[in-house]
Amino acid sequence: QVQLVQSGPEAKKPGASVRVSCKASGYTVSKYHIHWVRQAAGQGLEWVGWMNPNSGNPDYAPKFQGRVTITTNTSITTGYMELRSLTSEDTAVYYCASGDSSSGFDHWGQGTLVTVSS
Amino acid sequence: QSVLTQPPSASGTPGQRVTISCSGSSSNIASNYVHWYQQFPGAAPQVLIYRNNERPLGVPERFSGSKSGTSASLAISGLRSEDEADYHCAAWDDGLNGPVFGGGTKLTVL
Repeated sequence: QVQLVQSGPEAKKPGASVRVSCKASGYTVSKYHIHWVRQAAGQGLEWVGWMNPNSGNPDYAPKFQGRVTITTNTSITTGYMELRSLTSEDTAVYYCASGDSSSGFDHWGQGTLVTVSS
Repeated sequence: QSVLTQPPSASGTPGQRVTISCSGSSSNIASNYVHWYQQFPGAAPQVLIYRNNERPLGVPERFSGSKSGTSASLAISGLRSEDEADYHCAAWDDGLNGPVFGGGTKLTVL
């Protein structure tokens, strides 16, 4: 049974950084494609980036390039997303999700609420 | 501003058939699979339709998807109160080299 379990809610001040973790069980995190998607309150889903297993390197949405780092620790089957220079516009629920362009995102973490406020 | 365009809301009465549209472009919907996600308040999205019209195990046949050119649609027949949720369309975008989403459609069962 594939399961993605994320770290707990975070409260940060503007300018700070946040790191969210996503522990996978039931499959090898290096084998499957872990993406990061966020959703602001009342808004749609927005792709942040993923660990591209084909290249072994992360790919980021242009909007977040230079401000986000996605990594994977395969020994503990955990993926991480770090977002820096936070502003109030980064307040959102951040999800990790597994899947690819063919299957869609067939498994999702429970979401991590990141609140940025002074 | 989402890359894919969905109506913000849709509604229907129990038993009715409702369709939700999703409009994109040549770099996403026209050249890649479309997926649909169902999301209840406070919960993570769940895949409802994948590869344009495939249903995961456990998804009722009442839900169906279709695609033509740069547009796709989700149809729900025999509408039920438990279908009240947000529905999101998504597709890989070749220019972005990542997935793009619609803004989501809130379905209300009257």
